[in-house]
Amino acid sequence: GQNIDQPTEMTATEGAIVQINCTYQTSGFNGLFWYQQHAGEAPTFLSYNVLDGLEEKGRFSSFLSRSKGYSYLLLKELQMKDSASYLCAVTDSNYQLIWGAGTKLIIKP
Amino acid sequence: SAVISQKPSRDICQRGTSLTIQCQVDSQVTMMFWYRQQPGQSLTLIATANQGSEATYESGFVIDKFPISRPNLTFSTLTVSNMSPEDSSIYLCSVEEREGTEAFFGQGTRLTVV
Repeated sequence: GQNIDQPTEMTATEGAIVQINCTYQTSGFNGLFWYQQHAGEAPTFLSYNVLDGLEEKGRFSSFLSRSKGYSYLLLKELQMKDSASYLCAVTDSNYQLIWGAGTKLIIKP
Repeated sequence: SAVISQKPSRDICQRGTSLTIQCQVDSQVTMMFWYRQQPGQSLTLIATANQGSEATYESGFVIDKFPISRPNLTFSTLTVSNMSPEDSSIYLCSVEEREGTEAFFGQGTRLTVV
């Protein structure tokens, strides 16, 4: 079966750095996405990785290792508004999106 | 990026009734999807809405319960039929401008069945 694992919940301090990990087992791979979802809102796109390596976009970076079936989202200089759920999703060989359950990130002052 | 208008944003419905959710996109898109999200859980794909033909349903979802229309490339509806409390969830419309590209979401419909 297809599976995406990410931690259920993480806590970090304002101004710090946090890394959210995602491991996946899917039928083929055509890309990995990270989405941010604030409570009661729809997911919004953060990043996309299809090749190995690090993609940086401001305070957020995403890393991919296809051989390990592994990705992480790195958030720097955490702000209170970063409190949200972060969803990892993989596009399989049929271009279907497989979603992780999301990691709820709690930022403390 | 596509802009999606989904309505209603929330509703409280009596069991046994039906609710139709609308999704309007500001541009023509090929790929349009309907998801369900239970609190604290992953997004679950209900079906792919196909323009001009019957929707493609995922395992566990059937047309009689979740009829979908897609009359053109910018609009779709999902109906939740004969509702029960187990149907209480958030329903999300999503589009991809091209296969395998980022997904854009409507604001979601928070449905409570009493």
